[in-house]
Amino acid sequence: KNEVEQSPQNLTAQEEEFITINCSYSVGISALHWLQQHPGGGIVSLFMLSSGKKKHGRLIATINIQEKHSSLHITASHPRDSAVYICAPHRHGDKLIFGTGTRLQVFP
Amino acid sequence: DVKVTQSSRYLVKRTGEKVFLECVQDMDHENMFWYRQDPGLGLRLIYFSYDVKMKEKGDIPEGYSVSREKKERFSLILESASTNQTSMYLCAIQYRDRGGYTFGSGTRLTVV
Repeated sequence: KNEVEQSPQNLTAQEEEFITINCSYSVGISALHWLQQHPGGGIVSLFMLSSGKKKHGRLIATINIQEKHSSLHITASHPRDSAVYICAPHRHGDKLIFGTGTRLQVFP
Repeated sequence: DVKVTQSSRYLVKRTGEKVFLECVQDMDHENMFWYRQDPGLGLRLIYFSYDVKMKEKGDIPEGYSVSREKKERFSLILESASTNQTSMYLCAIQYRDRGGYTFGSGTRLTVV
């Protein structure tokens, strides 16, 4: 079983829709990262969080350490949000582990 | 913000060639990582380094080696490229004090 599970694997949305991407993990972690990867390959770090909630513009990330679960929300989605979103927990005293990503397409 | 530069975006090499992938950061961060990314498998750690001349194996080091002679440069070496090393290669640095990461733009390597 994978240590990191993301859902859904693929997501299609209309512009302005509210989007949620989920991440569950099975190991103890010190923090969790949400990453964004656009076509062409470059990866951008969106959030690093170890508890509670963080907000940046239209993006919101939450984490529940007890339940080993994190969510990434996008409000008022836009076609430029189309990308692959990757959940990456940071294991205690160790390195990042990665989900396989959620491919999001937002249509006008 | 730190900038992480990978020397090539696209690379095509022949089976058996020795291949060098370069990663350069413009600040003084100790921790540097090489990953490969394949469809359905996500990112997997090949090697990492916590300082000059230091290197540690990641989860899939077979067929690869690394070199870190200067703090700002971390090189991934494919001693004898094989077709199963066709992949996207990503370099990353970690901010030791804050724990965040910055990734390079990736090198898509095709071995024919």
